[in-house]
Amino acid sequence: DAGVIQSPRHEVTEMGQEVTLRCKPISGHDYLFWYRQTMMRGLELLIYFNNNVPIDDSGMPEDRFSAKMPNASFSTLKIQPSEPRDSAVYFCASRLAGGETQYFGPGTRLLVL
Amino acid sequence: GENVEQHPSTLSVQEGDSAVIKCTYSDSASNYFPWYKQELGKRPQLIIDIRSNVGEKKDQRIAVTLNKTAKHFSLHITETQPEDSAVYFCAARASSYKLIFGSGTRLLVRP
Repeated sequence: DAGVIQSPRHEVTEMGQEVTLRCKPISGHDYLFWYRQTMMRGLELLIYFNNNVPIDDSGMPEDRFSAKMPNASFSTLKIQPSEPRDSAVYFCASRLAGGETQYFGPGTRLLVL
Repeated sequence: GENVEQHPSTLSVQEGDSAVIKCTYSDSASNYFPWYKQELGKRPQLIIDIRSNVGEKKDQRIAVTLNKTAKHFSLHITETQPEDSAVYFCAARASSYKLIFGSGTRLLVRP
C-alpha cells in the first residue's frame, strides 16, 4: 500500500502565479480531505469529497481556492492567483467509508514569494 | 459548529515521567476522538482513538480517556521517551464526517 500520494512535495512560486497541488488517495477510499497547516491557524479543513463529490467546502478561504476530484484516484487543489499568505503546508487525507482512520499524505510545502 | 480546545500548548517532561494532554469539545453529537502525532516535517499519524461508547482505551504506554458528560478527553503517555517528542493533536468528529482538530501540543521529553 503506497499510502496517500501528494505532489509536488515542495513548491516555491511568486505572488500572482497559479499553483496546483495534486493528491492520489489510498485505493478504495471513498473520502478525500484537503487541509492547510500553518503555525498561526493550525490544521484547517478546507474541503472534503465523498465518492468524488464535494460535500463541504466551507473551509475554503476565498474564491482564489478551488478543488476538484475528477475520479476516485485523483484530486487537485488550485490557488489562482496565489498570495504570500497562502504559504503553508497543504495535506491531503483519505478515509474508507465505514472506517474511522484518516490517513494523511506527506504534504506539499508551499512558499509564495 | 464543532470547536475543539487543547491544552497545554507546550509541555516539557523528564524522560520516564508521564505526560497528559487535555481537550474539550463543544458538539455533544461528537462520537469519535482520535489523537495524532506529528514529528517535525512529517505528516500527522494516528496513534490512538476512542469512540463515544467507551470511557478509556489503552495501547502500551498510551491511553485515552473520555468524559462525555463534561465533553472532554485526554491523552496519557507513561514512561516517556525522547522519541515521544513531537506535536500531538486531538480531534473530534460529529455526524458531518469531518474531523475538527485542536491547536496542538508540543511535547518535549528531556533525556
